[in-house]
Amino acid sequence: ETGVTQSPTHLIKTRGQQVTLRCSSQSGHNTVSWYQQALGQGPQFIFQYYREEENGRGNFPPRFSGLQFPNYSSELNVNALELDDSALYLCASSQEWGQGPNTEAFFGQGTRLTVV
Amino acid sequence: LAKTTQPISMDSYEGQEVNITCSHNNIATNDYITWYQQFPSQGPRFIIQGYKTKVTNEVASLFIPADRKSSTLSLPRVSLSDTAVYYCLVGGMDSNYQLIWGAGTKLIIKP
Repeated sequence: ETGVTQSPTHLIKTRGQQVTLRCSSQSGHNTVSWYQQALGQGPQFIFQYYREEENGRGNFPPRFSGLQFPNYSSELNVNALELDDSALYLCASSQEWGQGPNTEAFFGQGTRLTVV
Repeated sequence: LAKTTQPISMDSYEGQEVNITCSHNNIATNDYITWYQQFPSQGPRFIIQGYKTKVTNEVASLFIPADRKSSTLSLPRVSLSDTAVYYCLVGGMDSNYQLIWGAGTKLIIKP
């Protein structure tokens, strides 16, 4: 158990719809990152939030957006869903922004999104 | 952003020591090297992190040569439960802390 919880665990949506995925970070962690993982591939970085501000973004279109709240929980929103958005969406929290000593990321179990 | 290269898959047997090597030829000065383990339908789990030389914790060792262009994750006396995908990542201040994940190494442990 990492202390990072994601909801829902599974979700089925229709192409063109919008979806919101949620993540509760581990206590004491102020940084949240979101990843998309297609079957058989490594996670792809979507974006990262540090103290409620986006401070890094991967190669994803603007229809992928997010929020981080004062309690450091986070949401990932995806608009105009496409079939290729079907994937496991992972949330990771860490104590501080960046990679270095004691900045290991703790991942949730993920949300399996299927777009039909 | 630094990229990593790992073997796609490896097989070993219970009780053996397993070494997985990762190449990261363009690692930046301030980048750290981190390894994660992932089981099917679960989020990755942190294994070990290092900057140079050798790091050891209760589950693994990480060997990093002086030029830091590669690293080797060493798993002592593996068991069937170590069957998983292992990812090597590099990142830090110079890459704006963004991490690029490759496809990882699928490790299969046989009885």
